[in-house]
Amino acid sequence: EVQLVESGGAVVQPGGSLRLSCETSGLSFGNFTMHWVRQLPGKGLQWVCLINRDGTTTHYIESVKGRFTLSRDNVKNSLSLQMNSLRPDDSGLYYCVAGGIFDHWGQGNLVTVSS
Amino acid sequence: DIVMTQSPDSLAVSLGERATINCESSHTVAFESSDKNYIAWYQQRTGQPPRLLLYWASIRESGVPDRFSGSESGTTFSLTITNLQPEDVAVYYCQQYYAIPYTFGQGTKLEI
Repeated sequence: EVQLVESGGAVVQPGGSLRLSCETSGLSFGNFTMHWVRQLPGKGLQWVCLINRDGTTTHYIESVKGRFTLSRDNVKNSLSLQMNSLRPDDSGLYYCVAGGIFDHWGQGNLVTVSS
Repeated sequence: DIVMTQSPDSLAVSLGERATINCESSHTVAFESSDKNYIAWYQQRTGQPPRLLLYWASIRESGVPDRFSGSESGTTFSLTITNLQPEDVAVYYCQQYYAIPYTFGQGTKLEI
């Protein structure tokens, strides 16, 4: 069974930092493109970033470029998202997602940016 | 960015009936060299993460009932659910994975 478990979400003040992690099991992690997708409570879905299978290429939504950094460890089968200079509009439920076609989703981890 | 616009925003359908959700893309989502449309559909039940239903606009993910089907006409894509069941109550999203940033429709809430 494929499992993706996110952690690291918290309440943080504007301008603060957080590091989200995603631990995976049950899949050949190194064979999967990985993404983060976020969702405001009661709202829709927004793709945030992706990293390719070997970690050499990343892409980000414009609003997080220069503030978020995505990385992966194919030995530990894990994904990390370093989020700096957080803003209130970064708040939401952050999902770790595996696959070029978003095959597998974690349960999500809540990030709240508020003073 | 490619804008995905779903319609309707919500709909109510009786058990056993058919529901159709539409999704219009602001840009083509297929490469000229391929006849594949880079469109996926997801189901999100309350309190759950999204679940992949269809990809390449009409290919069912493993385990998805054949009551779910997808079709396309130009840059308009449709998700049809036949013989509606109670477990189909959810919000449905379309998504394009043709170009970064990947974008989702705003969602369609399906009620019984």
